Amino acid sequence: QQQVKQSPQSLIVQKGGISIINCAYENTAFDYFPWYQQFPGKGPALLIAIRPDVSEKKEGRFTISFNKSAKQFSLHIMDSQPGDSATYFCAASIGGTYKYIFGTGTRLKVLA
Amino acid sequence: DVKVTQSSRYLVKRTGEKVFLECVQDMDHENMFWYRQDPGLGLRLIYFSYDVKMKEKGDIPEGYSVSREKKERFSLILESASTNQTSMYLCASSLGALRSAFFGQGTRLTVV
Repeated sequence: QQQVKQSPQSLIVQKGGISIINCAYENTAFDYFPWYQQFPGKGPALLIAIRPDVSEKKEGRFTISFNKSAKQFSLHIMDSQPGDSATYFCAASIGGTYKYIFGTGTRLKVLA
Repeated sequence: DVKVTQSSRYLVKRTGEKVFLECVQDMDHENMFWYRQDPGLGLRLIYFSYDVKMKEKGDIPEGYSVSREKKERFSLILESASTNQTSMYLCASSLGALRSAFFGQGTRLTVV
């Protein structure tokens, strides 16, 4: 119930391509869904976040798509660049508890 | 910019030692968290605190304790370090419910 399942575990994309990372959850009480980007040797940094009252949020080349009925959300990186090579984590939280549940991460490599 | 600072980037400790990991945030955030990051397991919550002197167990609190005497500082304590506590430890803070967490750069702890 408290898990967030993330796939794929790793992803290789050509420069200019679209990277897609998927997450699924069971607990319908989750009400906030951030994505984090982590470069080697650094802590995760907030990339983009969405709440379940919207189906899509876009910030630059990064888009979150949210499907409330399917309990799934995904991160799309358009025009992927080698500088996007990092590990990406989805997360979910229940506002009243302040706790974040993280997916297991996706290691993205964008080939030049 | 929010800054979350962890006192050490790398630590090597011996089995049985008492270990202190320190974290300081400079944005007057109410909530602070300690996560552990291991390959293939993502980020797992050890403890979090929603106010000074208040703490709650996360998903993997065994072998750890925490202290929050001041709002800006949150310490993780390994009472008697063991080799299975070798990991990357991440501190984070957030302003409140439905607000994203900001992470420090991490402390890579090796217990030998």
